[in-house]
Amino acid sequence: GDSVTQMEGPVTLSEEAFLTINCTYTATGYPSLFWYVQYPGEGLQLLLKATKADDKGSNKGFEATYRKETTSFHLEKGSVQVSDSAVYFCALRGVGGTSYGKLTFGQGTILTVHP
Amino acid sequence: DGGITQSPKYLFRKEGQNVTLSCEQNLNHDAMYWYRQDPGQGLRLIYYSQIVNDFQKGDIAEGYSVSREKKESFPLTVTSAQKNPTAFYLCASSIASGSNQPQHFGDGTRLSIL
Repeated sequence: GDSVTQMEGPVTLSEEAFLTINCTYTATGYPSLFWYVQYPGEGLQLLLKATKADDKGSNKGFEATYRKETTSFHLEKGSVQVSDSAVYFCALRGVGGTSYGKLTFGQGTILTVHP
Repeated sequence: DGGITQSPKYLFRKEGQNVTLSCEQNLNHDAMYWYRQDPGQGLRLIYYSQIVNDFQKGDIAEGYSVSREKKESFPLTVTSAQKNPTAFYLCASSIASGSNQPQHFGDGTRLSIL
């Protein structure tokens, strides 16, 4: 079945540092890929998405590129802020068989940014 | 404003008791979902519904039940058969389960055992 693997956290950075959170996936066909962010005590908010190979999703300074050849969708930001501290989830939306339309999540990566 | 409303924000359950979590959306979405979130395990799908009066089990449906009598409502009942119900429960909706549109989430309900 479909699966998503994220780099283990927690990740701790200083303000203005470069951020990368790795995400790789296993799925049939060409799934849609998403990054969600969860702030403490809240639900998940969509951060960005990509629906086909080589698409780049971007939002609020975050970027991720859909790499079919490496089955990856790594999240990057050039300069993080304290307000970026949250849990980040990589997810895919399957297109094959019984996984059609279902969202599969990675385990989440906790990011803490210090001033 | 359109969105998903979950209530209550915090809920406590006694041994042997069934409790119901509410989820309402005014986004006119066809599909709705319930997830359970445990620390370090990401989100796991409990039940989902693609259309009114229809729903399917997700990966961890045992001990839970749902109904979908109205398009905007998808309540989740945590039954006494669920032996480890303490978790953060998230409801989500999307335009259609088969599309590449994202799911939109509520703010969650935190369930604890008394």
